[in-house]
Amino acid sequence: AQSVTQPDIHITVSEGASLELRCNYSYGATPYLFWYVQSPGQGLQLLLKYFSGDTLVQGIKGFEAEFKRSQSSFNLRKPSVHWSDAAEYFCAVVSPGANNLFFGTGTRLTVIP
Amino acid sequence: KAGVTQTPRYLIKTRGQQVTLSCSPISGHRSVSWYQQTPGQGLQFLFEYFSETQRNKGNFPGRFSGRQFSNSRSEMNVSTLELGDSALYLCASSPDGTGGAYEQYFGPGTRLTVT
Repeated sequence: AQSVTQPDIHITVSEGASLELRCNYSYGATPYLFWYVQSPGQGLQLLLKYFSGDTLVQGIKGFEAEFKRSQSSFNLRKPSVHWSDAAEYFCAVVSPGANNLFFGTGTRLTVIP
Repeated sequence: KAGVTQTPRYLIKTRGQQVTLSCSPISGHRSVSWYQQTPGQGLQFLFEYFSETQRNKGNFPGRFSGRQFSNSRSEMNVSTLELGDSALYLCASSPDGTGGAYEQYFGPGTRLTVT
């Protein structure tokens, strides 16, 4: 069975500091991978996705993620966090051939001035 | 293009009642998926509709049902509401696509409270 693990429930960073949110997946083959962000009371917004090819993918709002097959990881990074980045971040996978996203439990990001 | 819209945004129902939630996908998108989000269970897939047919279903009881119309708009229905059905229900649309090789665009959700 596939699973997605986001080991950090809550992360606090200072504005301007770098950020890395961890995501590990368990699946027999390489799934399609996504990062979504959810602001309070809002739906989910797609930050970036990985289907194949270059393992470093760029997304919106200055985010990037790197797919590492050997570690079954797809960590999200941002070099300099802004206060507006405070939100909950979800890693998600979908199996090639399936249609439903399978989400991790999310990481809540707090940004302090 | 307008985004995914969901109505109503907030809903309060009593245990035992039924509820219908509506979702209008992005124009041109034919796939609509529904997800339930709760603090305890996180985000869980309910079902997906494509061209008016349920193409995939998650592990939810039969009280949860849905349908899709010819204009791709979708509704989900929950009958005999239970307190545990209180959640944010999210709808997502995507273009024609198979095998997961597509992006899902989410609406703002409907917050359902069951009392």
